[in-house]
Amino acid sequence: DAGVIQSPRHEVTEMGQEVTLRCKPISGHDYLFWYRQTMMRGLELLIYFNNNVPIDDSGMPEDRFSAKMPNASFSTLKIQPSEPRDSAVYFCASSLQQGSYNEQFFGPGTRLTVL
Amino acid sequence: SQQGEEDPQALSIQEGENATMNCSYKTSINNLQWYRQNSGRGLVHLILIRSNEREKHSGRLRVTLDTSKKSSSLLITASRAADTASYFCATDAGTSGSRLTFGEGTQLTVNP
Repeated sequence: DAGVIQSPRHEVTEMGQEVTLRCKPISGHDYLFWYRQTMMRGLELLIYFNNNVPIDDSGMPEDRFSAKMPNASFSTLKIQPSEPRDSAVYFCASSLQQGSYNEQFFGPGTRLTVL
Repeated sequence: SQQGEEDPQALSIQEGENATMNCSYKTSINNLQWYRQNSGRGLVHLILIRSNEREKHSGRLRVTLDTSKKSSSLLITASRAADTASYFCATDAGTSGSRLTFGEGTQLTVNP
C-alpha cells in the first residue's frame, strides 16, 4: 500500500484566498483524522470521520474551516478565507479499529503558508 | 495541562547511550501508543501497549505502563544518530472510537 497520501505537499497563498487540502487514506481504513501542527500549539486534532461520517469536529478552529469525506478514499479540508495564523503543517491520518488496536498512519503533511 | 505530557521536553545524548522518555496522563485509558516524528515528516507509530499490559518490547524499544500512576516510559537502548527525532505518546481513552490524544513530545538528539 502507498500509505496515506496528501496533496499538495506545500502551499503558499495570500490572506483571504481559499485553500483546499486533500487526503487519500489507506484502503480499508475506517477512520480518518485531520490534525494541525504548530510550534506554539503542538499537534491538534481538528476533526475525524468514521466510515465517512464526521464524528467530532470540536477541534475545528472556526467557521472558516470545513472538512468533507465524500467517499472512503478521499477527504478534503478547506479554509475559506485563509489567514496568516492558519500557517501550519496539516496532517491527515487513517486507522482501522481492530479490537484494542487502533494505531494511526500519518501522511507526509501539507505545509501551509498564508502571507 | 493536557492528557499525555512527555518529560523531558528535550534530551541530548551520545550514540550508544540509552534514552528514556516519560509520559503522564490523567484519565483512564484503553491503550497508550508511542510515535516518532522525524523533522519535516509525519508521525510514525512505534509501539502500542494495552491497559492490561505492564511492559512491551520491540527491537531496541522497551515501553512500560503503570496505570496506578498513570504514566508510561519509552526506553531506547543503544541509541543511534538515526534515532534523532521527536517522540510523542498518545492515549486512547476508549470512549471516542479511534480518537487519540497526543502529548507535546520529547525532542531527542543523539550525537554521533
